[in-house]
Amino acid sequence: AQKITQTQPGMFVQEKEAVTLDCTYDTSDPSYGLFWYKQPSSGEMIFLIYQGSYDQQNATEGRYSLNFQKARKSANLVISASQLGDSAMYFCAMREAITGFQKLVFGTGTRLLVSP
Amino acid sequence: KAGVTQTPRYLIKTRGQQVTLSCSPISGHRSVSWYQQTPGQGLQFLFEYFSETQRNKGNFPGRFSGRQFSNSRSEMNVSTLELGDSALYLCASSLEHSGLLHFGNGTRLTVT
Repeated sequence: AQKITQTQPGMFVQEKEAVTLDCTYDTSDPSYGLFWYKQPSSGEMIFLIYQGSYDQQNATEGRYSLNFQKARKSANLVISASQLGDSAMYFCAMREAITGFQKLVFGTGTRLLVSP
Repeated sequence: KAGVTQTPRYLIKTRGQQVTLSCSPISGHRSVSWYQQTPGQGLQFLFEYFSETQRNKGNFPGRFSGRQFSNSRSEMNVSTLELGDSALYLCASSLEHSGLLHFGNGTRLTVT
């Protein structure tokens, strides 16, 4: 079974608008972490935001926020006030405590295109 | 502080050859992991090293191997290259307990 599902292959948004990128996950481990990474065309994976399974509040990092709905097993990324530089691939990933610190399972990604 | 450095950035090899990729982690990071990214399979975990010991391994054939040196630098080796090994290979480092992976720019391997 796929552990991380990103159902949006591509998303389009106009500059300065907000956009939500969807991510659902599947795990039986009560201790897990959810990550969002951005991958520009250069290839580097840039960390955006992290949410732990026991965190009570939704994570926020500047223009990025994570809409964490534990019961629905979803961890959507919200980017407010989109900028042209936000155009990139976005990956949702999960780390389960049982599999170790550095083994991330990634979704298939969403390509975001920000237009002027 | 310098980020994760991967060398080389690009490689072209022929089927049957072997290749070695290098990764220098962020100073102070002792954990290094490797990921393969292909259009068909996406991002997949290869292995993880800490203190020169492999402590986690993904589902890849034995042709894929790695090692970590005492200065935390890591290398991965792929022997008997196949066309399907063409991919972007990403290295990531982290502090032992933070769980936050910092990735390098990757090495793009093309097998012809």
